[in-house]
Amino acid sequence: NAGVMQNPRHLVRRRGQEARLRCSPMKGHSHVYWYRQLPEEGLKFMVYLQKENIIDESGMPKERFSAEFPKEGPSILRIQQVVRGDSAAYFCASSQGHGANNEQFFGPGTRLTVL
Amino acid sequence: TQLLEQSPQFLSIQEGENLTVYCNSSSVFSSLQWYRQEPGEGPVLLVTVVTGGEVKKLKRLTFQFGDARKDSSLHITAAQPGDTGLYLCAEAARMMVFGAGTILRVKS
Repeated sequence: NAGVMQNPRHLVRRRGQEARLRCSPMKGHSHVYWYRQLPEEGLKFMVYLQKENIIDESGMPKERFSAEFPKEGPSILRIQQVVRGDSAAYFCASSQGHGANNEQFFGPGTRLTVL
Repeated sequence: TQLLEQSPQFLSIQEGENLTVYCNSSSVFSSLQWYRQEPGEGPVLLVTVVTGGEVKKLKRLTFQFGDARKDSSLHITAAQPGDTGLYLCAEAARMMVFGAGTILRVKS
């Protein structure tokens, strides 16, 4: 059973371009979470999605950031008009259910560098 | 918003030494998790503690949850280079809240 997959692993963008980060959850998992991690810091929650629905986006900036988890295909985190401050590692996690009793499994992350 | 403070921020020790890292909260944890993250990878769950005073062991790792459920410690006995990584504690409530982590480096 493959784990959570993220691609690309590394992404370089120039200021003003768009970044698309993809996450394929573990088989059988319908809950997806996105986190952002700055160097030598912990993870900051961004958004929680369940198939085709955004459940909680309280950690995601209101502008330029969006996320989706379509019925078919991976979850996408989209950052429009990237700025240098968007440079970070973005992690996706998936779980079977939601809450403390449901372990979140993390992918290897996408490292975004904005030049 | 709950704040999780982890200490020390950075720890560099020799192989074979023992160490303890700490996680403290500004409020009571509903449940607390410890993760280890290796460079270039995502975090991997080590343990979940729920009950105040709980102690869990995972080989050379001992996890303790404070009686008041506001603090936790991770003790590693006879550290090995393979223990090197970022150790994160997290509140596993409605949404995950992570501490900034302790970077552990074990030198051989």
